[in-house]
Amino acid sequence: GEDVEQSLFLSVREGDSSVINCTYTDSSSTYLYWYKQEPGAGLQLLTYIFSNMDMKQDQRLTVLLNKKDKHLSLRIADTQTGDSAIYFCAESIDQAGTALIFGKGTTLSVSS
Amino acid sequence: NAGVTQTPKFQVLKTGQSMTLQCAQDMNHNSMYWYRQDPGMGLRLIYYSASEGTTDKGEVPNGYNVSRLNKREFSLRLESAAPSQTSVYFCASIGQSPKTQYFGPGTRLLVL
Repeated sequence: GEDVEQSLFLSVREGDSSVINCTYTDSSSTYLYWYKQEPGAGLQLLTYIFSNMDMKQDQRLTVLLNKKDKHLSLRIADTQTGDSAIYFCAESIDQAGTALIFGKGTTLSVSS
Repeated sequence: NAGVTQTPKFQVLKTGQSMTLQCAQDMNHNSMYWYRQDPGMGLRLIYYSASEGTTDKGEVPNGYNVSRLNKREFSLRLESAAPSQTSVYFCASIGQSPKTQYFGPGTRLLVL
């Protein structure tokens, strides 16, 4: 079945760049997503990329997609302490791009 | 707009009891979803409803039933709760665009 894999932890210093990696299995995924979850809160959609794109930039966030290797990454430039959270990668398993399979999440810890 | 609302926020059940988790959205979205989140497991899709009157199984549907009461409301029912159903349950709704994805604040369920 479909599976989404992420590393569990990442620790960076404030001001550095963070890169969170994800691999997925469903080559027919139409959309791939990054979500952020702060403690005790629900999920917040950060950004998404359509499967025919290689890169998407949105302010401090850069998403890179390597469809051949089924690899997705999220780069956060100038990481701040407020970026500390769990980041989830997700792939869509339906044509509409709305039924999602999530990775287990990467906990990003930012130290000052 | 209230977005996606969930009730209750927290519930304790005894094994074998039943309960219904409620979810409502006021954004006129067609698609609604129920996920559970367990430590170290990420989010797993329980059931979803692509449109009013339709429901489909996700990754982990066993032990649950759903009802899409109308376009606004999508409820999740546990007929006979088990300790393995202790989790945080998130409802989500998604509009026409992948950008329009919203998660509720979650329901924390403890089954003793």
